[in-house]
Amino acid sequence: DGGITQSPKYLFRKEGQNVTLSCEQNLNHDAMYWYRQDPGQGLRLIYYSQIVNDFQKGDIAEGYSVSREKKESFPLTVTSAQKNPTAFYLCASSIESRSNTEAFFGQGTRLTVV
Amino acid sequence: DQQVKQNSPSLSVQEGRISILNCDYTNSMFDYFLWYKKYPAEGPTFLISISSIKDKNEDGRFTVFLNKSAKHLSLHIVPSQPGDSAVYFCAAPNPGTYKYIFGTGTRLKVLA
Repeated sequence: DGGITQSPKYLFRKEGQNVTLSCEQNLNHDAMYWYRQDPGQGLRLIYYSQIVNDFQKGDIAEGYSVSREKKESFPLTVTSAQKNPTAFYLCASSIESRSNTEAFFGQGTRLTVV
Repeated sequence: DQQVKQNSPSLSVQEGRISILNCDYTNSMFDYFLWYKKYPAEGPTFLISISSIKDKNEDGRFTVFLNKSAKHLSLHIVPSQPGDSAVYFCAAPNPGTYKYIFGTGTRLKVLA
C-alpha cells in the first residue's frame, strides 16, 4: 500500500537529549514537510523539502534539523536546543510543491519530554 | 501573521442538520484551498479542495464554497453525521514556495 509512515507513534525523551523522528513515503512524491501541532493550535511548518538534497526552514525551525538524502525519507531531529519539544509531529508529502495538489499526512508521532 | 484563519474554535450541530465551517484568508495570491479532517492522535486526511477559478465544489455530503472578493471559504456538510465529529482544518499552498499554510482548526461535534 502506498502511503506515509511515521515512526515511532509515541516517543519519550529526556531533557537535553536529541531525538530523531522517522518519515518514509512510497508515493514517489518530490515534496515533503514536517509540521508540529500543539493543543488548540493549528499546524505549524517546521521544515520542508521540494527535492532531494534540498530543504528550507519553515516558520518554527529553531531547535530542529532535517536531511533529505533520499526521495523517500525526510527524518526530523529534535535537538536539545528546542525549548518546548513536547508536541504532536506530523510528516506530509505532495507530488511536487509547485502544483495545486493535496498533501498526504502520516499518522503522527507524539513526542513527550520527561 | 496568520494568513489563513478559522475564527470559530468549535461548533456543535445536531445529527442530520447542516454543519458550516468557515475560513478566511488574507493573501489574495492564494489560488487553491483544501479542507482536511483530523481525529485525535491521527494525521489529517484530505477531504475536498477548490481552485480559485471555481466558486463551488461538491463531493457527496461535502461542499466547499469560495468567495474570492471576501477572501472567504466555507465547508458545508449535509447531512451531518456523528462520524463527522473531528477537527477540520482549511489550508492553502503559498504560491512561490507552495508550502501549505493551515488555519488553527474548528472542532466539530455532531450530536446524536
